[in-house]
Amino acid sequence: DAGVIQSPRHEVTEMGQEVTLRCKPISGHDYLFWYRQTMMRGLELLIYFNNNVPIDDSGMPEDRFSAKMPNASFSTLKIQPSEPRDSAVYFCASSPHQAEQYFGPGTRLTVT
Amino acid sequence: GQNIDQPTEMTATEGAIVQINCTYQTSGFNGLFWYQQHAGEAPTFLSYNVLDGLEEKGRFSSFLSRSKGYSYLLLKELQMKDSASYLCAVSGLGAGNNRKLIWGLGTSLAVNP
Repeated sequence: DAGVIQSPRHEVTEMGQEVTLRCKPISGHDYLFWYRQTMMRGLELLIYFNNNVPIDDSGMPEDRFSAKMPNASFSTLKIQPSEPRDSAVYFCASSPHQAEQYFGPGTRLTVT
Repeated sequence: GQNIDQPTEMTATEGAIVQINCTYQTSGFNGLFWYQQHAGEAPTFLSYNVLDGLEEKGRFSSFLSRSKGYSYLLLKELQMKDSASYLCAVSGLGAGNNRKLIWGLGTSLAVNP
């Protein structure tokens, strides 16, 4: 099993540009989570999906952030336009029913 | 509101035992998780408690008291590779929302030789 796959691993972009982060969950997992981690705020849940349907997006910072899950094997998190304060590590995690979450390696985003 | 507290940093000696505490105040409860995160890596699952008591898994044990809103992670026979951040997270913050975890900021453990 390849685990949760995220791309890119590192992204450096200029303020105002669009950023798209990608995630492939573990096959058979019903839940997919997007997190953001910073030193100051720790790990924050942005949004999670169950069977490709968004369940809770209350953690999405503002309208600049959007997430989609068009099928069970792919999800994207988009930031448009990006700002320096969006710089963080973004993790995707997946989970089978009633179980722990498995995290991908993360995408380190730097917005200059 | 929801709140999870853990010490920011701890230091221990190789071969010793260390206990990392976590207290929580949440609107609902459906279990408590402990994760380990090495610098620059993703969190990895260590343990899950939903009932009161101690769960033992090798060198690591986790304890839960729901009435006190309290948990601890016990690490025995510490090794240098145990130097990492340990994250406490609580699940189940409302009806139909029991997949959502609220995370503590983590306890950075340094194991010295």
